[in-house]
Amino acid sequence: ETGVTQTPRHLVMGMTNKKSLKCEQHLGHNAMYWYKQSAKKPLELMFVYSLEERVENNSVPSRFSPECPNSSHLFLHLHTLQPEDSALYLCASSQDPSGIQYFGAGTRLSVL
Amino acid sequence: QKEVEQNSGPLSVPEGAIASLNCTYSDRGSQSFFWYRQYSGKSPELIMFIYSNGDKEDGRFTAQLNKASQYVSLLIRDSQPSDSATYLCAVKGNNNDMRFGAGTRLTVKP
Repeated sequence: ETGVTQTPRHLVMGMTNKKSLKCEQHLGHNAMYWYKQSAKKPLELMFVYSLEERVENNSVPSRFSPECPNSSHLFLHLHTLQPEDSALYLCASSQDPSGIQYFGAGTRLSVL
Repeated sequence: QKEVEQNSGPLSVPEGAIASLNCTYSDRGSQSFFWYRQYSGKSPELIMFIYSNGDKEDGRFTAQLNKASQYVSLLIRDSQPSDSATYLCAVKGNNNDMRFGAGTRLTVKP
């Protein structure tokens, strides 16, 4: 157990659905991240939050919408996704943006 | 050109042998280097980090960094079947942006 908890672990959604992924960290960290991991491709950084402010958005489509209400919680709101968005979505946290990142177990997303 | 490049493998070694995993990176200003292990269906788990040129040892693991040649490697001594996993190399630059390689799949055969 890394101290970073993601729910749900698995999600199947249609292209017209709206769903949210949740991440909670119990490590007292100040920075949180969303990554996308597709088969045989490098981890892709999607969003970075530091002290609850978004500091990076790596040209992610607007159908992905992050929310960071406090330093312990991070959400990824999903709407009108495409089948190519099917992947493992990983949340990570670190003490600060320069620190070592610790990952949650991920949410396996399938878009039908 | 890929920012962080790893041989995808699979790399297969017999139990007890040394497994050598390599990674090259393109950003010469990179400052921090990490090796993560990822078992199938699980999240990445930090194995080692290294900031300075040279070797850093932790148990059966040794990370090696050569900034002039822009490569970082991970050696696993006395490989065990439980070491079978995908190993991800990650590189962080001055702007704290972490870039990952696609990973090398290691299989240790009993």
